[in-house]
Amino acid sequence: QKEVEQNSGPLSVPEGAIASLNCTYSDRVSQSFFWYRQYSGKSPELIMSIYSNGDKEDGRFTAQLNKASQYVSLLIRDSQPSDSATYLCAVKEAGTALIFGKGTTLSVSS
Amino acid sequence: GAGVSQSPSNKVTEKGKDVELRCDPISGHTALYWYRQSLGQGLEFLIYFQGNSAPDKSGLPSDRFSAERTGGSVSTLTIQRTQQEDSAVYLCASSLVAPHTDTQYFGPGTRLTVL
Repeated sequence: QKEVEQNSGPLSVPEGAIASLNCTYSDRVSQSFFWYRQYSGKSPELIMSIYSNGDKEDGRFTAQLNKASQYVSLLIRDSQPSDSATYLCAVKEAGTALIFGKGTTLSVSS
Repeated sequence: GAGVSQSPSNKVTEKGKDVELRCDPISGHTALYWYRQSLGQGLEFLIYFQGNSAPDKSGLPSDRFSAERTGGSVSTLTIQRTQQEDSAVYLCASSLVAPHTDTQYFGPGTRLTVL
């Protein structure tokens, strides 16, 4: 059974702080890794994708991948109340569907 | 450009009835996926279409669930003899299939309520 594990939270951080979201996965042949953000009652929207070990930065977001440890993380710098949402980690092999974690709820207080 | 569209946005049905949910993928996307999300749960894979290949049906929870994709574009997910446990948000996504540009884009979902 291929699994993606996330801490359900809630993760609470003050406005302006760094939020750190973590994810582990069981399938070593996973090739593509994604972070989606989902607001309540809405569908998931892509935040970041990462395919190679190391860091990938996009604005206030940094994704980190460590395939040896089967670990993916998402850092959100200068967190804003509008970042409050559920963050879904997803992994996939080539030509397959995404396997999602159950998500981490982030709450950013002003 | 236009994103993934789904219809209806909401569907309320009685237990035992059949329902059809529709998905229009992003133009040019050859891969199409159906997921469902129950209240407070993660996304559960249902079925995956890629071009003219046989679909990956490994996620369908029972033989009451079926899906087809006509002309490599629009897809319909059919649930026969609906049960209350089928109540969920059904999400469709589409993507390209190049090795590293396979990001999936989601539609707004269909909220199904079985009474």
